Amino acid sequence: DAGVIQSPRHEVTEMGQEVTLRCKPISGHDYLFWYRQTMMRGLELLIYFNNNVPIDDSGMPEDRFSAKMPNASFSTLKIQPSEPRDSAVYFCASSQQGARVNEQFFGPGTRLTVL
Amino acid sequence: AQSVTQLGSHVSVSEGALVLLRCNYSSSVPPYLFWYVQYPNQGLQLLLKYTTGATLVKGINGFEAEFKKSETSFHLTKPSAHMSDAAEYFCAVSETAGKLIFGQGTTLQVKP
Repeated sequence: DAGVIQSPRHEVTEMGQEVTLRCKPISGHDYLFWYRQTMMRGLELLIYFNNNVPIDDSGMPEDRFSAKMPNASFSTLKIQPSEPRDSAVYFCASSQQGARVNEQFFGPGTRLTVL
Repeated sequence: AQSVTQLGSHVSVSEGALVLLRCNYSSSVPPYLFWYVQYPNQGLQLLLKYTTGATLVKGINGFEAEFKKSETSFHLTKPSAHMSDAAEYFCAVSETAGKLIFGQGTTLQVKP
């Protein structure tokens, strides 16, 4: 079975440009999570969805960040405009409802570099 | 608020030696605790979890962890390290259903 799929795997862009990261969760999973990983701040939860509805976006750093989940098989994380401090690895993860909700399956990540 | 502290950002052991990675948590409710592993250039994957019941839990690749409520600890161990165990390890506590709070991570180096 395919795991969590993220695209692109690497993104290099210039400051001020719009960046869109994409995620396809594991089929049948009801939760989707977006994380950001940096050396300085470690692994941070940005936002998560349950059944396509955003549940907690308290980790979204500022209004430049937005996330959507239009259907059960697709989510996007958008940064507009991007800044050098947004450079990080962004992970998408998904999990099932119920007792296994915290058994999250992570994608390979998108390494974002903002010049 | 719940939190996780991993003692030691880097741990180095010789191949065949005991691995001990330390994790302490803070929680006002009975915690659900997890260890995840991240190999280079990959996402995290679940190593093991504690929810209820037996306090010694076994995971993949020969790892195990013991939940000690009195010490608020959930240390990860493996009797004999293998070169393939070199990775970054994250301890996590569940704050609410679906929301994990991760520690800062411990990089395990295994020397031949």
